[in-house]
Amino acid sequence: AQRVTQPEKLLSVFKGAPVELKCNYSYSGSPELFWYVQYSRQRLQLLLRHISRESIKGFTADLNKGETSFHLKKPFAQEEDSAMYYCALGTGNQFYFGTGTSLTVIP
Amino acid sequence: DGGITQSPKYLFRKEGQNVTLSCEQNLNHDAMYWYRQDPGQGLRLIYYSQIVNDFQKGDIAEGYSVSREKKESFPLTVTSAQKNPTAFYLCASSIGQQWGYTFGSGTRLTVV
Repeated sequence: AQRVTQPEKLLSVFKGAPVELKCNYSYSGSPELFWYVQYSRQRLQLLLRHISRESIKGFTADLNKGETSFHLKKPFAQEEDSAMYYCALGTGNQFYFGTGTSLTVIP
Repeated sequence: DGGITQSPKYLFRKEGQNVTLSCEQNLNHDAMYWYRQDPGQGLRLIYYSQIVNDFQKGDIAEGYSVSREKKESFPLTVTSAQKNPTAFYLCASSIGQQWGYTFGSGTRLTVV
């Protein structure tokens, strides 16, 4: 069963435009959700965790349990945001990853 | 460099051969994981270990084997039974799930 869904494989936005990367999850327990980012030629790295309610590089993500979503948002996209983004669900023993969204910010 | 090291970076294997991918961490993390990353499929869990001398199968364990004799090391063997081994393999470790993973830089395995 698909536990994490990222409906957009590719997403392009213009520099300075708002960006939203969608993530929906399926889990009956209390979810722990994360966003990971992979820049070109770099290793996959943690971007943010829902429990910390932090903003990293201008990105935020709010857990919506009613809609089972954890969308990643940034009000003004920058060229350096171009990367592959993965949403991940922690279930106690392991993480389940979405298929990823490749974000391109057009100058 | 990140505290978790995968080697080699590139690996070529002939069909019918077993090959072992190395993953070492100096982060004192209890849990370690192996994922396979294929285009369009995201990351899929192969095996994980939450403590030394113990490991569990993930979603796609067939054709793979692991060992966890030391806290720092979690090698993955891709056996000849794995039907489609060409992929990018990622190792990760974690101090606790609420903190997320630290990933290695990956090993790209190609069967020739």
